[in-house]
Amino acid sequence: DTEVTQTPKHLVMGMTNKKSLKCEQHMGHRAMYWYKQKAKKPPELMFVYSYEKLSINESVPSRFSPECPNSSLLNLHLHALQPEDSALYLCASSQDEGITGSPLHFGNGTRLTVT
Amino acid sequence: SQQGEEDPQALSIQEGENATMNCSYKTSINNLQWYRQNSGRGLVHLILIRSNEREKHSGRLRVTLDTSKKSSSLLITASRAADTASYFCATAAISSGSARQLTFGSGTQLTVLP
Repeated sequence: DTEVTQTPKHLVMGMTNKKSLKCEQHMGHRAMYWYKQKAKKPPELMFVYSYEKLSINESVPSRFSPECPNSSLLNLHLHALQPEDSALYLCASSQDEGITGSPLHFGNGTRLTVT
Repeated sequence: SQQGEEDPQALSIQEGENATMNCSYKTSINNLQWYRQNSGRGLVHLILIRSNEREKHSGRLRVTLDTSKKSSSLLITASRAADTASYFCATAAISSGSARQLTFGSGTQLTVLP
């Protein structure tokens, strides 16, 4: 088991639905990340929050909306997704986003299927 | 964007053999990390090697880094069936004076046959 908890583990949604992915960590990490991973591909960075502020948005479509309510929680709000958005969505945290390139601690992901 | 390329893409060995995976990258780095991912799970950090280090060991893992060739290798000795997973290198690039994020390589799928 990991120290980063993601819910739900699986999600099936229609293209008109609104849903949210949730991520929680209690390691005192100050940087949190959302990655998207397609089958047999490496994770692709979507967003980075550092000290609860959005610091990186990798040109992600606006149908993905991140939120960091506090230093332990990270949400990803989904709306009007497309079938090609089906993927494993991984949350990660690290001590900081700074110059040391801190190792990432990953959750086990949410397997999202858009129908 | 993807900075690292790994080879081989897939590797199949017998239990007890050693497995070697290679990673090449393009830009100057602060450090390089290796991660393991079991099927359908999250990534697990294995080892970090800094740009001023050449070799690092952790248990059955040995990582080398050659910054002149912009390449790294991960050696797993005495492999076990439980080592079956995808292995990714990840680089912390130096950009505008600070290392901001990790970029993952394409990954090697390792299968260890019992």
